[in-house]
Amino acid sequence: DVKVTQSSRYLVKRTGEKVFLECVQDMDHENMFWYRQDPGLGLRLIYFSYDVKMKEKGDIPEGYSVSREKKERFSLILESASTNQTSMYLCASSGEGQEFYNEQFFGPGTRLTVL
Amino acid sequence: LAKTTQPISMDSYEGQEVNITCSHNNIATNDYITWYQQFPSQGPRFIIQGYKTKVTNEVASLFIPADRKSSTLSLPRVSLSDTAVYYCLVGSQGSGNTGKLIFGQGTTLQVKP
Repeated sequence: DVKVTQSSRYLVKRTGEKVFLECVQDMDHENMFWYRQDPGLGLRLIYFSYDVKMKEKGDIPEGYSVSREKKERFSLILESASTNQTSMYLCASSGEGQEFYNEQFFGPGTRLTVL
Repeated sequence: LAKTTQPISMDSYEGQEVNITCSHNNIATNDYITWYQQFPSQGPRFIIQGYKTKVTNEVASLFIPADRKSSTLSLPRVSLSDTAVYYCLVGSQGSGNTGKLIFGQGTTLQVKP
């Protein structure tokens, strides 16, 4: 079974802090994704990566950055956390080359609260 | 830019067939349609994917009309364990390393005994 793990299930941070969310997948997938999920808005793509050290902006990249130094690991960084970044963050991965629409495997999510 | 629209919620009873429709009026030629299921405290899980006409697997069917401006996820004989949120996704491979992934807002399906 594909496994996507996220470093924390729950996280509480203060405004202005730098926050790191880590995601690891064990299936040698090329593509990895970060989404945020908010009530009534569904899932919105923040960033994705199609290869090591490669990244592309999604729909809502403002206030976020990412890092992919190794194929299995994709990190989401909040440079200076703000209260409007309180949300559920979901990481996903998919294989089979660069077809972004292929089946994605999701982690359990990290619920981030920024006070 | 493609936008996907789904009903916010639906109710059903055990044993019934449930159809959830997603509207995607601006779908592009190279867009695929995918449906995901999400239970509380879990990430979404892939159900089915299609491009046109009908696709069926062991858990669901996906109907896509010729104009592809909508799609319908069909769940046969639902049980209480099918209570979940269902998401429609329109996605495609762009040029080079670009891509597009547009999720709907999700439909909360409540299955009653």
